[in-house]
Amino acid sequence: DTGVSQNPRHKITKRGQNVTFRCDPISEHNRLYWYRQTLGQGPEFLTYFQNEAQLEKSRLLSDRFSAERPKGSFSTLEIQRTEQGDSAMYLCASTPVSGTYEQYFGPGTRLTVT
Amino acid sequence: AQKVTQAQTEISVVEKEDVTLDCVYETRDTTYYLFWYKQPPSGELVFLIRRNSFDEQNEISGRYSWNFQKSTSSFNFTITASQVVDSAVYFCALSEALSSARQLTFGSGTQLTVLP
Repeated sequence: DTGVSQNPRHKITKRGQNVTFRCDPISEHNRLYWYRQTLGQGPEFLTYFQNEAQLEKSRLLSDRFSAERPKGSFSTLEIQRTEQGDSAMYLCASTPVSGTYEQYFGPGTRLTVT
Repeated sequence: AQKVTQAQTEISVVEKEDVTLDCVYETRDTTYYLFWYKQPPSGELVFLIRRNSFDEQNEISGRYSWNFQKSTSSFNFTITASQVVDSAVYFCALSEALSSARQLTFGSGTQLTVLP
């Protein structure tokens, strides 16, 4: 399977704990995106990488959130001191730099903060 | 700022009926891209189609067809002869060429239920 993969698929954590999610994009896709989707809503953009450089961050990305993409391959999204409002599906997508703009999504990580 | 509106929250149809999902968008960019994605119960977003703002030719692909009208800022999606497997949430999305990130702005989705 050469699609976007995300781990873990589900994460339950207690308020105040730190969590980290991983995304492995499609091989050779330079652009990588993180989105957040809450129940009944469409995904909302969080941040974007081109290769290893984080080039844009949404205002939704508070100081408790940090994302990395070392070596321009996989990416991690960390949430520190989780809050109940962080409960959501976290989606990763990738696309090549050149090309046709459509993004290919992974299955997501569902976070529940209790 | 860009915005995508999907006014239909939920639609139910009986199998074999045709169904149209509406999408209206707002953008100040003259070059932009419109998309439809499908999110089945499994949760993974599946890309269906992309249209460029400078290409208003409508398209048919099997049971799917798309109607892009710049004059009304609409990009509607029709499923002909619907099937139970079409049941999913469908999202319309917009990407502006002026945005270096090319991030997608999604509508709130339309839940389509096809009854047997």
